[in-house]
Amino acid sequence: GAGVSQTPSNKVTEKGKYVELRCDPISGHTALYWYRQSLGQGPEFLIYFQGTGAADDSGLPNDRFFAVRPEGSVSTLKIQRTERGDSAVYLCASSPGGDTQYFGPGTRLTVL
Amino acid sequence: AQKITQTQPGMFVQEKEAVTLDCTYDTSDPSYGLFWYKQPSSGEMIFLIYQGSYDQQNATEGRYSLNFQKARKSANLVISASQLGDSAMYFCAMRRTGNQFYFGTGTSLTVIP
Repeated sequence: GAGVSQTPSNKVTEKGKYVELRCDPISGHTALYWYRQSLGQGPEFLIYFQGTGAADDSGLPNDRFFAVRPEGSVSTLKIQRTERGDSAVYLCASSPGGDTQYFGPGTRLTVL
Repeated sequence: AQKITQTQPGMFVQEKEAVTLDCTYDTSDPSYGLFWYKQPSSGEMIFLIYQGSYDQQNATEGRYSLNFQKARKSANLVISASQLGDSAMYFCAMRRTGNQFYFGTGTSLTVIP
């Protein structure tokens, strides 16, 4: 079956611009997670959805970051007024029950 | 505060030999889960093995086993009979109550032919 997909695979933007990163989880998975992975580091938790609601958004670094999952399936991570420090790989993972996660290939965001 | 610690930035192992990757964790939660993931150069995170904090036996999945020592708060990954395709980054992760996940900084494993 299809795994987690993320689009785009690469995104280059200019400082100050707005970006949206999309995640399509595995069908039927109720839990969805967003992570940010900087070079040489492990993934850093950003936000966790259970169904349509954000069960835990404590990892979002500031109010420029926002994520939605309106129908409990696809999720979009939105970053406003991008900064060079936002450059990283953004990983999405889904889970059938909030335990073992299955990761997507990531979106590499570069802010110039 | 560092919740997951992986002290080995890089490890080398001879093909067909076993290797242990270290992981220690810090939590006061009574219930938690421990995971290992593999990240090849392609970038995708691949789930390897899971250990629940209340599991009595160490988890095993094929050539992977998790050496869980609860009192020491360690969850080392043992890979037996290493293969060239095992060369990758390996991340230890912990799920705390509330489904927050914390990852370590990873260990780069190189399998030498």
